[in-house]
Amino acid sequence: GAVVSQHPSWVICKSGTSVKIECRSLDFQATTMFWYRQFPKQSLMLMATSNEGSKATYEQGVEKDKFLINHASLTLSTLTVTSAHPEDSSFYICSARLASGGNEQFFGPGTRLTVL
Amino acid sequence: AQKVTQAQTEISVVEKEDVTLDCVYETRDTTYYLFWYKQPPSGELVFLIRRNSFDEQNEISGRYSWNFQKSTSSFNFTITASQVVDSAVYFCALNHGYGNKLVFGAGTILRVKS
Repeated sequence: GAVVSQHPSWVICKSGTSVKIECRSLDFQATTMFWYRQFPKQSLMLMATSNEGSKATYEQGVEKDKFLINHASLTLSTLTVTSAHPEDSSFYICSARLASGGNEQFFGPGTRLTVL
Repeated sequence: AQKVTQAQTEISVVEKEDVTLDCVYETRDTTYYLFWYKQPPSGELVFLIRRNSFDEQNEISGRYSWNFQKSTSSFNFTITASQVVDSAVYFCALNHGYGNKLVFGAGTILRVKS
């Protein structure tokens, strides 16, 4: 149980285009999902906390207009990287927390974004 | 502020050696949780253990063991008789007791050579 999927697993796009990444909890409901970014050989950095039915909370330094997050249902959150640039190339990982509570986060397999 | 320090950037060992990965944390909370994750080259995070701040018992799971010392704010991870498949990046992480943000350490790259 507690499986989280991400789609796509990898994407290559041209500079200036937008890319949408989906994060789904497959066998549980998640009121809260988290989006992380991991640059090569670095740690995971939290970008934003996504709450179902409300606006996401962004970490300091993360542009909310560039990284659009939508959490429209208890099993799906999406991250859209708008007007992507090469510096946005990174590994994006989502995690989900059970709606029933608890502090454990279940991680998706990640999405590798390459912006040319 | 919450902070996790993994001072060892990279460790190389030969198969069958024991290896300990260090983790030191900082928090003002009395209730918090500590985690270890493994990240193989595929990138997917693999959950290894969760420990709450009120449980200082050490834990052993197969070749893995964890030593939680509140007095020194450390939560070290030991792999006994390491194997090549243990090669990965290992992250220690901390969150406070209300299910909120996870703060990750910088990670330790473990290379196990045959």
